[in-house]
Amino acid sequence: AQSVTQLDSQVPVFEEAPVELRCNYSSSVSVYLFWYVQYPNQGLQLLLKYLSGSTLVKGINGFEAEFNKSQTSFHLRKPSVHISDTAEYFCAVTPDSNYQLIWGAGTKLIIKP
Amino acid sequence: EAQVTQNPRYLITVTGKKLTVTCSQNMNHEYMSWYRQDPGLGLRQIYYSMNVEVTDKGDVPEGYKVSRKEKRNFPLILESPSPNQTSLYFCASSSRGQGNYGYTFGSGTRLTVV
Repeated sequence: AQSVTQLDSQVPVFEEAPVELRCNYSSSVSVYLFWYVQYPNQGLQLLLKYLSGSTLVKGINGFEAEFNKSQTSFHLRKPSVHISDTAEYFCAVTPDSNYQLIWGAGTKLIIKP
Repeated sequence: EAQVTQNPRYLITVTGKKLTVTCSQNMNHEYMSWYRQDPGLGLRQIYYSMNVEVTDKGDVPEGYKVSRKEKRNFPLILESPSPNQTSLYFCASSSRGQGNYGYTFGSGTRLTVV
């Protein structure tokens, strides 16, 4: 079985500072990895995904994530955050053998002016 | 436009009154799924469907029913809603064809059971 751990439930950061949101997973099979963002009172939007190839994945809104197979991690980063990045961020994985999508509990990014 | 459409967006109902949340996708995806989102718990899968007339339980199926009579539609049925089913619900669809491993989500249905 697979599981996803988002290590921080909340991450406060000052505007224009860098941020890293951590995601670790466990799986005995190959997985594909995703980061989704949920802005206040809105639905889920795909930020980026890792399927194969380069382990550094670039997404929308200046976010990027790095897949580290040995550490089973897929941390999300942004070099300079803005007030508009205030949202909840979810890491999710799916095994390559089926459609099941396993979610982390989410990390709320709080931007301090 | 490729999309998953959920209705209604908001619903307040009373305990025990049957309700249906509709979900429809226009991408010919074979896979569809329902999730509920609760604070601190992330998204948990309720039911999923691999194709027409093929459905299976997810992690939290109790109190819910689904059907998949057509490929595009996957309604979620609460026969006798209870307050612990107050939650934010999302429908999603996906296809693995042509190397696409993405999931498309509906806008969500916020359900309150009083």
